Amino acid sequence: KAGVTQTPRYLIKTRGQQVTLSCSPISGHRSVSWYQQTPGQGLQFLFEYFSETQRNKGNFPGRFSGRQFSNSRSEMNVSTLELGDSALYLCASSFSGVRGRPDTQYFGPGTRLTVL
Amino acid sequence: KNEVEQSPQNLTAQEGEFITINCSYSVGISALHWLQQHPGGGIVSLFMLSSGKKKHGRLIATINIQEKHSSLHITASHPRDSAVYICAVFGNEKLTFGTGTRLTIIP
Repeated sequence: KAGVTQTPRYLIKTRGQQVTLSCSPISGHRSVSWYQQTPGQGLQFLFEYFSETQRNKGNFPGRFSGRQFSNSRSEMNVSTLELGDSALYLCASSFSGVRGRPDTQYFGPGTRLTVL
Repeated sequence: KNEVEQSPQNLTAQEGEFITINCSYSVGISALHWLQQHPGGGIVSLFMLSSGKKKHGRLIATINIQEKHSSLHITASHPRDSAVYICAVFGNEKLTFGTGTRLTIIP
């Protein structure tokens, strides 16, 4: 099976712009989670989508949003970019059929976003 | 205080040494993950465990739910084991991560 793919791999934006990142999960996986990794805060949970519905959300401002399509592919959007949004954004997919039941997560390679 | 604490933050060892990385957490969890991250960012899930012990090759992970503590052991360490090892706990339907342990194995 192909692994989790993320596009683009690298992105440079300026403050105030918006950005959309894409994640394609492993075939058959219906849960997609998004994470932000920065040197200062480490890895932090953004949100999880399952069957096109946001199932859980971390403590990030409303500028961070996401969605999931019927084929389980997911996108996340960050509007009005700030310098502090510079980070590695990772998505992970899992089979995770039952809400709240832990499952092995398979991570994508990440999108490195730089905000100038 | 962070919900997930790892120690040590950095570890340098000679090839062949036995390695132990520790993880303590303060919240209720249903599972704990050990992750490996190589330079460049890619993360691989090594273990998910909710009790006892798991072994995969030279890697062993243990968890003590009562003491809220887990350890990751690497036997016969090799330079290719050099990476950041991250402990993550699953509670409140989400993963909370430790800050990671940077392991460097010198040939």
